[in-house]
Amino acid sequence: SQKIEQNSEALNIQEGKTATLTCNYTNYSPAYLQWYRQDPGRGPVFLLLIRENEKEKRKERLKVTFDTTLKQSLFHITASQPADSATYLCALAGANNLFFGTGTRLTVIP
Amino acid sequence: GAVVSQHPSWVICKSGTSVKIECRSLDFQATTMFWYRQFPKQSLMLMATSNEGSKATYEQGVEKDKFLINHASLTLSTLTVTSAHPEDSSFYICSALGRGAWGNQPQHFGDGTRLSIL
Repeated sequence: SQKIEQNSEALNIQEGKTATLTCNYTNYSPAYLQWYRQDPGRGPVFLLLIRENEKEKRKERLKVTFDTTLKQSLFHITASQPADSATYLCALAGANNLFFGTGTRLTVIP
Repeated sequence: GAVVSQHPSWVICKSGTSVKIECRSLDFQATTMFWYRQFPKQSLMLMATSNEGSKATYEQGVEKDKFLINHASLTLSTLTVTSAHPEDSSFYICSALGRGAWGNQPQHFGDGTRLSIL
């Protein structure tokens, strides 16, 4: 069965630095990869979607890469702010299936 | 943007009672809805997938008689936890998708329901 690993359970970085979160997967070839943000006690919120034929996607301070050879996606937040502190989830998807990773809890220290 | 409303946001009830949670898509037609369960500091655990007008597909290990799911319209799905017990206490979250490939569109999540069974 598919396995999704997000690099670490928790990541602390200094405000202003770039946060890089990793999502690795095995036993699966997703056509799409999505990233979500989840705040405590709230439902996840969609951030970005990248397709298997796309290498990179950007949205404001966010950047996602998708390497189907390495079976890895990197999620970057540039110029990080304390308000970026949250849990970030990656999700692999096909036409009619979707699998979530365990998430990385990011803390941006002022 | 697409909005999913989940109600109630929290509920406390006695052991043995049944609890119904509603999930509504407010401004789009949700052909597929998902129900997740989440334990503290853990990821989402998919419980079941429901398509409008058909029976829900439950994940392995999820008791369909315990967790009743109804998706009677394109804007409403309900999860009923029957004869709830303390071990059913958790954070339940729904999400909804419109028509098309699941992965090629965002999942729209409700804000979750915190269920506490005494």
